[in-house]
Amino acid sequence: EDQVTQSPEALRLQEGESSSLNCSYTVSGLRGLFWYRQDPGKGPEFLFTLYSAGEEKEKERLKATLTKKESFLHITAPKPEDSATYLCAVPYSSASKIIFGSGTRLSIRP
Amino acid sequence: NAGVTQTPKFQVLKTGQSMTLQCAQDMNHEYMSWYRQDPGMGLRLIHYSVGAGITDQGEVPNGYNVSRSTTEDFPLRLLSAAPSQTSVYFCASSPFPVDSLTNTGELFFGEGSRLTVL
Repeated sequence: EDQVTQSPEALRLQEGESSSLNCSYTVSGLRGLFWYRQDPGKGPEFLFTLYSAGEEKEKERLKATLTKKESFLHITAPKPEDSATYLCAVPYSSASKIIFGSGTRLSIRP
Repeated sequence: NAGVTQTPKFQVLKTGQSMTLQCAQDMNHEYMSWYRQDPGMGLRLIHYSVGAGITDQGEVPNGYNVSRSTTEDFPLRLLSAAPSQTSVYFCASSPFPVDSLTNTGELFFGEGSRLTVL
């Protein structure tokens, strides 16, 4: 069964304290893994697509990496404005659908 | 450019009432979908459409109907509202078919519709 699991559920960091969020997946024939950011009261906003193991993408203080079983979203020297829920998602292996993980709620304290 | 527009933003219904959540996009996207978001359960796919006249079920389709008569609009109908349908609903569109290897995976989401069923 296609599945996406994110950990931790919530993460509180001090400003400048780097960390990583995890997304593990079980999908046959992965065709891509997507990261989104969601601010409170808003719809998710697309960040990255990763296609193959070893691939990395960067945007400001965020770097996403992909292995054969999981993806990491590394946050380097975060700022309070990085506080949000981060969602990962993959396409189902057999249909035109995207399945989302339950997200990691990231809070950065000044 | 308005993107994906959802109405209403907030709605309170009584059990058994019916209503339609509206979704419109002005980007000429073929793919549109509806998700619901509940605490601790993330986004779950309700229904999706790969083009006008074509719809299919997602993970949690029961109690919801959709139709796609135009490229721009993809309304979600609740036939007989139940408290279990209390949720935040998001409409999303994409210019690419999601099973295409060239797909960026980029879904454009609306701002959401918060529904409470009493």
